[in-house]
Amino acid sequence: GIQVEQSPPDLILQEGANSTLRCNFSDSVNNLQWFHQNPWGQLINLFYIPSGTKQNGRLSATTVATERYSLLYISSSQTTDSGVYFCAAIPNFGNEKLTFGTGTRLTIIP
Amino acid sequence: DTGVSQNPRHKITKRGQNVTFRCDPISEHNRLYWYRQTLGQGPEFLTYFQNEAQLEKSRLLSDRFSAERPKGSFSTLEIQRTEQGDSAMYLCASSYTQGSPLHFGNGTRLTVT
Repeated sequence: GIQVEQSPPDLILQEGANSTLRCNFSDSVNNLQWFHQNPWGQLINLFYIPSGTKQNGRLSATTVATERYSLLYISSSQTTDSGVYFCAAIPNFGNEKLTFGTGTRLTIIP
Repeated sequence: DTGVSQNPRHKITKRGQNVTFRCDPISEHNRLYWYRQTLGQGPEFLTYFQNEAQLEKSRLLSDRFSAERPKGSFSTLEIQRTEQGDSAMYLCASSYTQGSPLHFGNGTRLTVT
């Protein structure tokens, strides 16, 4: 099945800093999503972005489908941004399950 | 649109007992998914339905696990003869159709003592 890899595994930043999280995937995809999992375990949809660029406030994401990677940008980090960020993808061919990466744990220090 | 609803939020049970979880998807979403997440890991796929048909099951879904979606609306996940290794967060998600984004519920956290 599709392989989804995320980097870095851990990231510690001061409040106000910017960050870039990366997701590499092994096959062409028809679905790629970024999630934020808060300390209570809730998975929050950030972006549905199988290709192209989207922005939502301080967050933006870019997926370069031909090169099989996606980037999540967080600007002016706040402590509430802390948590685990997951990338997940469904391949164009084969099974239709959303496969998750291992996540990036982001800690924002006041 | 009230989102995906899961009940209960927490369940503590003794080893060997049976448990059942419920998931109510977003209305008009015909696809429903179950995932399991253990501490420090990403969610792992268990099974999914299109309407009432169960289309795929993971190898993680042993014979003690059964999922149903009898009328193509809500779904239940039952675990028989629970084991301590079943302790995890069980997440449900729904999507409108193939290729559309999945929306997750808040999960049911199971602890087997």
